Amino acid sequence: DGGITQSPKYLFRKEGQNVTLSCEQNLNHDAMYWYRQDPGQGLRLIYYSQIVNDFQKGDIAEGYSVSREKKESFPLTVTSAQKNPTAFYLCASSDRNQPQHFGDGTRLSIL
Amino acid sequence: GQQLNQSPQSMFIQEGEDVSMNCTSSSIFNTWLWYKQDPGEGPVLLIALYKAGELTSNGRLTAQFGITRKDSFLNISASIPSDVGIYFCAGSDNYGQNFVFGPGTRLSVLP
Repeated sequence: DGGITQSPKYLFRKEGQNVTLSCEQNLNHDAMYWYRQDPGQGLRLIYYSQIVNDFQKGDIAEGYSVSREKKESFPLTVTSAQKNPTAFYLCASSDRNQPQHFGDGTRLSIL
Repeated sequence: GQQLNQSPQSMFIQEGEDVSMNCTSSSIFNTWLWYKQDPGEGPVLLIALYKAGELTSNGRLTAQFGITRKDSFLNISASIPSDVGIYFCAGSDNYGQNFVFGPGTRLSVLP
């Protein structure tokens, strides 16, 4: 079954810890994206990658880091520098210049 | 940065009624997308629009790319309970390289 898999579905972090959210796609898409969604708000772009070993900052990259070592994987690390990390995180992928398709998200909460 | 406005912010309708919502931008876009998000899940692409004036249908859903290229409209005919969710518009001014998302319209359908 082709699609985008995000894991885990729910994640809890203690203050001061880094956590990594997984995103894997088997759609053979070149581009991958990370968005943050807060209650009642739209999606805000954190990072995106158009090709392996290359990625660009989005609108709210501070406190986050990514890597793109493989075409199918685009993990997001929420670092301790992110002061308000509680949110719903969505990963997406697309063929170049095509509509994005989304995973089912990871909900991150701070203990 | 670019921003999209969606109206209404939320709406309550009776089952069987038609629904209209819109999305506006202060700048010109060359691609418009409409997504639906169910609670706790990722957005699902409904309709993509690529040309000013274009009218595209997907079942009971019809979307239009506004002539000014600064707006788009989504209509849902004969609403049913499973239409409940948040509807997001997304626009691109660089032919799909990046998209900006609106804040969403939350639709509730009363039986």
